[in-house]
Amino acid sequence: DTGVSQDPRHKITKRGQNVTFRCDPISEHNRLYWYRQTLGQGPEFLTYFQNEAQLEKSRLLSDRFSAERPKGSFSTLEIQRTEQGDSAMYLCASSLVLESDRVREDTQYFGPGTRLTVL
Amino acid sequence: DAKTTQPNSMESNEEEPVHLPCNHSTISGTDYIHWYRQLPSQGPEYVIHGLTSNVNNRMASLAIAEDRKSSTLILHRATLRDAAVYYCILRPLEYGNKLVFGAGTILRVKS
Repeated sequence: DTGVSQDPRHKITKRGQNVTFRCDPISEHNRLYWYRQTLGQGPEFLTYFQNEAQLEKSRLLSDRFSAERPKGSFSTLEIQRTEQGDSAMYLCASSLVLESDRVREDTQYFGPGTRLTVL
Repeated sequence: DAKTTQPNSMESNEEEPVHLPCNHSTISGTDYIHWYRQLPSQGPEYVIHGLTSNVNNRMASLAIAEDRKSSTLILHRATLRDAAVYYCILRPLEYGNKLVFGAGTILRVKS
């Protein structure tokens, strides 16, 4: 079990540049979530996918943010024209949610995060 | 989203029990009580969850008040590796929805 991985772990960029982060979930997990965490706060939900479908987006996710999960496996989060307020830890989590009650497993497993610093 | 209230910080001595409280007076009948924790420089990790009855697992115990308006996470013997931010989260019955985190409780463990 390799767990959830995120790449890169750290990213420093200049204001106005575009950045892209990648998340690789646990292989059999069908749900993938993105959260953002600023210093001293708990993580805030951004968006989630069920397989390749993006089912919910927070109003925190401005139109400069876009997330994809093209084949229902890994996901990318892109931020265009970065601003200093985008500086945060970006966390990815995955879970397995089944329609039947045979498996009642919905624990979200988090990756280590990508720390973004916008100068 | 239902709201929880937790103390900002708590301190414990190593190898002693720790009781982390959480108030959730607006909890609905179908909200589960979940606890996650976040160790320094890591993503959050699941600790335990329950609905009405007290729950035990290898990491902790969860004691839920009879009226469900409060709960307590119990670490039976705190170790230095338990120093983390502990989050109490209410989740509706429906599975697979997002987690709504508050600020959590910073637990410091003294040796």
